[in-house]
Amino acid sequence: DAGVIQSPRHEVTEMGQEVTLRCKPISGHDYLFWYRQTMMRGLELLIYFNNNVPIDDSGMPEDRFSAKMPNASFSTLKIQPSEPRDSAVYFCASTRGGQVNTGELFFGEGSRLTVL
Amino acid sequence: AQTVTQSQPEMSVQEAETVTLSCTYDTSENNYYLFWYKQPPSRQMILVIRQEAYKQQNATENRFSVNFQKAAKSFSLKISDSQLGDTAMYFCAFVIWGAQKLVFGQGTRLTINP
Repeated sequence: DAGVIQSPRHEVTEMGQEVTLRCKPISGHDYLFWYRQTMMRGLELLIYFNNNVPIDDSGMPEDRFSAKMPNASFSTLKIQPSEPRDSAVYFCASTRGGQVNTGELFFGEGSRLTVL
Repeated sequence: AQTVTQSQPEMSVQEAETVTLSCTYDTSENNYYLFWYKQPPSRQMILVIRQEAYKQQNATENRFSVNFQKAAKSFSLKISDSQLGDTAMYFCAFVIWGAQKLVFGQGTRLTINP
């Protein structure tokens, strides 16, 4: 399997622009997580899905952030409008139910977002 | 709310030395799992070691071991005979049993010097 695939790997944009980050989970995984990594806060869970349904979005910082999972093989995280404080590395991870307890999350390589 | 705190933003040691990374957590739950992850410059996340909270015996994986103090809610990682390849960001994390929400700390950037 190719692993969790994220795109783009790097994105530089200007304040106010819309940003869309994409994730393809590992086939057969029914859980998908979006994390944000910053120096100050480490890895923060933004939202996670189970069987394409959002289960917990309490980590989404504000209404400018939205996430969707239209099918089992694709998810997006959208920021509109983007702000400089959104600059971070955004990770997508997937796993099968139950494997979170064993720590077996499979992470993508992350999308580094820079908002100027 | 569940939280994880790593109080050492950066650490640096010489190759072959032993280093200990600190982690404390806060939860009112009794059944949970604890983890240490390694993130090298490639940004890949690698599970280093895990500990079940109901187990008193500290987990060990080759040169990596933990000191789990449940009452103190402390979960430190010891790396023995450190190697250059151990240079990475290390994250402490935990998950409540039955939940799917893995909570991470802020990370400790570890540098192993030759």
